[in-house]
Formats: sequence, structure tokens, C-alpha cells
Amino acid sequence: KAGVTQTPRYLIKTRGQQVTLSCSPISGHRSVSWYQQTPGQGLQFLFEYFSETQRNKGNFPGRFSGRQFSNSRSEMNVSTLELGDSALYLCASSLRSDGETQYFGPGTRLLVL
Amino acid sequence: GENVEQHPSTLSVQEGDSAVIKCTYSDSASNYFPWYKQELGKRPQLIIDIRSNVGEKKDQRIAVTLNKTAKHFSLHITETQPEDSAVYFCAARNYGGSQGNLIFGKGTKLSVKP
Repeated sequence: KAGVTQTPRYLIKTRGQQVTLSCSPISGHRSVSWYQQTPGQGLQFLFEYFSETQRNKGNFPGRFSGRQFSNSRSEMNVSTLELGDSALYLCASSLRSDGETQYFGPGTRLLVL
Repeated sequence: GENVEQHPSTLSVQEGDSAVIKCTYSDSASNYFPWYKQELGKRPQLIIDIRSNVGEKKDQRIAVTLNKTAKHFSLHITETQPEDSAVYFCAARNYGGSQGNLIFGKGTKLSVKP
């Protein structure tokens, strides 16, 4: 099976802009989780989607949002970008929502100038 | 909510030696504990996981132990090789809980010197 894919892989934006990142899970996986990875904070949970519904949400401001489509692909959106949003954004897919093994995508590296 | 502490933050060993990374968690309801390896510029890869009904699990040179009473779990790598050099993350999750997302430790940078 193909692994988790993410697009784009790299992105440069300026403060105040918005960005949309995409994640395609492993075929058959219905759960997608998003994480922000920074050198200082490590891997921090953003949100999880299962069957088009947000199941869990981390402690991030409302500028961070997401959605999941009927084919399990997921997008996350960050509005009004801030310098501190520069990070590697990782998505992970799992078969089910309740604790199954998560497989990570390669990530999207976002740089906000 | 759950909090995961990971130690040490950096670890340097000679090739062939063993490496041990330790994590503690705060939520006694957590019952799933995976370990991920992340090489520079690459995605985190699951290397081993353990569930709370098991005290130890081995996979070739890698083993994980879990002490539910003390709420800590450890990764053991024996006969380390240069290709083991990477950042290792532990995580905890309440399998089946309503807030059952993975909570990660801050990572351990392992360097294996040839």
C-alpha cells in the first residue's frame, strides 16, 4: 500500500496570509491526525478527524482548522499566519480512531516570513 | 490531561553499547505506548509499541518495558549501530478514550559513534 502523502512538501508564506495543507491517508484508513513539530515544543497534537468528524482538538487557537472529506483525505488551514507558525506539519493516519497505530506522512515544512 | 516526560534529551553511545531512553506519563488511563524514530529530515517511523496488558515486548535489538504502577516505560536498544542515530520519541494514549490523542515526549537525540 502507498504510504501517507502530504502536499505541498515546502511552503513559504508571509505574515497575515493563510495556508491550506493536504494529507492523503493510507488506503482504507479513516482516521487522520495532525501535529505541529517545532524544535522547542516537539510534536504537538492539533486535531483528529474520523469519518469526516473532528474527534479531538489540541490547544491551538481558532486560526487552525481542518476538515476531512468522504474519501478520508484531510486538509488543515491556518489563517492570519504568524512567524511562530513556522514548523513542520505532520499528518498521521490510522485504521480506526480509537488508538490504532498511527503512520506519519513526510510533512509539510512551512516557513512564515 | 496527559503529560509525557522523556529523558535524557541527548544520548551518546559507542557502537555496540546499549542505549536506554525513559519516559514517564501522568494519566493512569493511558494504555498504549508507541515509540517513534525520526531520522534527520524524515518522517517519524513507528519502531515498537506496547499496550498496558503487557510488561515487556522485544523486536530483535529493540525492547520496551512498561511499569504501570510507576507510570513509566523505557526503550532499550542493544548492540547499537551508527544507523540507530536519530531522534526517538515516546508517546502515550488512552486507547478508546474520548480524548485519546497521542501525547509525545520531547524526544531524545541518540548519537552512536563508530
